[in-house]
Amino acid sequence: ILNVEQSPQSLHVQEGDSTNFTCSFPSSNFYALHWYRWETAKSPEALFVMTLNGDEKKKGRISATLNTKEGYSYLYIKGSQPEDSATYLCAFSGSNTGKLIFGQGTTLQVKP
Amino acid sequence: DVKVTQSSRYLVKRTGEKVFLECVQDMDHENMFWYRQDPGLGLRLIYFSYDVKMKEKGDIPEGYSVSREKKERFSLILESASTNQTSMYLCASSRRNQPQHFGDGTRLSIL
Repeated sequence: ILNVEQSPQSLHVQEGDSTNFTCSFPSSNFYALHWYRWETAKSPEALFVMTLNGDEKKKGRISATLNTKEGYSYLYIKGSQPEDSATYLCAFSGSNTGKLIFGQGTTLQVKP
Repeated sequence: DVKVTQSSRYLVKRTGEKVFLECVQDMDHENMFWYRQDPGLGLRLIYFSYDVKMKEKGDIPEGYSVSREKKERFSLILESASTNQTSMYLCASSRRNQPQHFGDGTRLSIL
């Protein structure tokens, strides 16, 4: 069974702090790595899909990096705001079927 | 905007009942997925479908079946509901290798 691990499990930061979390995935048979944001009472929304080693993606204050050789991805949030509070999920794809294996998520709470 | 619609937000059923959860997408996506989400366990794939009438088991298919007779609709069936199937169920759809779009979820309670 392929394992996708996220750390930390939860994080509490103050407004304005920058933060980052990690996603570890199998380094063999890599096809793509997805990041999703899941806010309470809403459905998960895609942030990024990364496919190439060394990929960096950015969306506003959120960015992500990818290292397929060692099997990890980092998600960074610069200057966290209360509206960034959510669970951040990463998901690994090992084939072109579109099937994903999700990590357990990192829950971020940003205090005003 | 892609719309993935799940038939119910909340559902309460009794042990032994046959339960149908329906999901419809409006973007002609090839792939459709059913997940369940439980505290501390993340999203776990139950079944997915990559075309009409095609299906593949996910990580936890036991106790479930699926039906995809039309491209836009993917149904999850609990053949004989049990209390351990109380959970949040999420449907998603995508084009091949594109991000998945999720429905709002169905919170199912089996009494």
